[in-house]
Amino acid sequence: GQQVMQIPQYQHVQEGEDFTTYCNSSTTLSNIQWYKQRPGGHPVFLIQLVKSGEVKKQKRLTFQFGEAKKNSSLHITATQTTDVGTYFCTRNSGNTPLVFGKGTRLSVIA
Amino acid sequence: GAVVSQHPSRVICKSGTSVKIECRSLDFQATTMFWYRQFPKQSLMLMATSNEGSKATYEQGVEKDKFLINHASLTLSTLTVTSAHPEDSSFYICSAPRSGGPETQYFGPGTRLLVL
Repeated sequence: GQQVMQIPQYQHVQEGEDFTTYCNSSTTLSNIQWYKQRPGGHPVFLIQLVKSGEVKKQKRLTFQFGEAKKNSSLHITATQTTDVGTYFCTRNSGNTPLVFGKGTRLSVIA
Repeated sequence: GAVVSQHPSRVICKSGTSVKIECRSLDFQATTMFWYRQFPKQSLMLMATSNEGSKATYEQGVEKDKFLINHASLTLSTLTVTSAHPEDSSFYICSAPRSGGPETQYFGPGTRLLVL
């Protein structure tokens, strides 16, 4: 499967600060999916983006798919301790397995 | 609610024993399931693809004789870690693809294996 690169690998923020993680691909992506994995838990699906330039919001989370469909971002406004975890982006291609990169591990300091 | 279950959620065993982990799709049929392994603070690494009614496909570097996979029905895949050693201690997660929505793969809750 195709892997996307994600930065940063780690991010420590004070509670209330914003947070952004970025995914980049050298090739055009048909879609991008975001997952969140809490410490000790399993990956939980957050969203899928398909259209060029697409922006979707889920409460304090804003997901963006680049115009060229080669990059994506996840922005969290005013982080809370419940946002702690590792955020992964990946590309879905039907019945093939998901390929996860290293993700971005978010720590929130209360 | 959960659509993929795993059992057991945690297991501690002695070195040299075998451990079986079950992955079940609860309300849909899964002809394919995927097994991942995750070491602490690392990403999920695909181990193998489990195919109902046929042999599993293993990723490079994963020993098929050590990690036995059986996909005996459309809702159940099992992973058996044979002759487990401490280096096999890890978090094992299965997933199953499902059509009909944006969330196209459902992950089980994972099994944490500790080999003493």
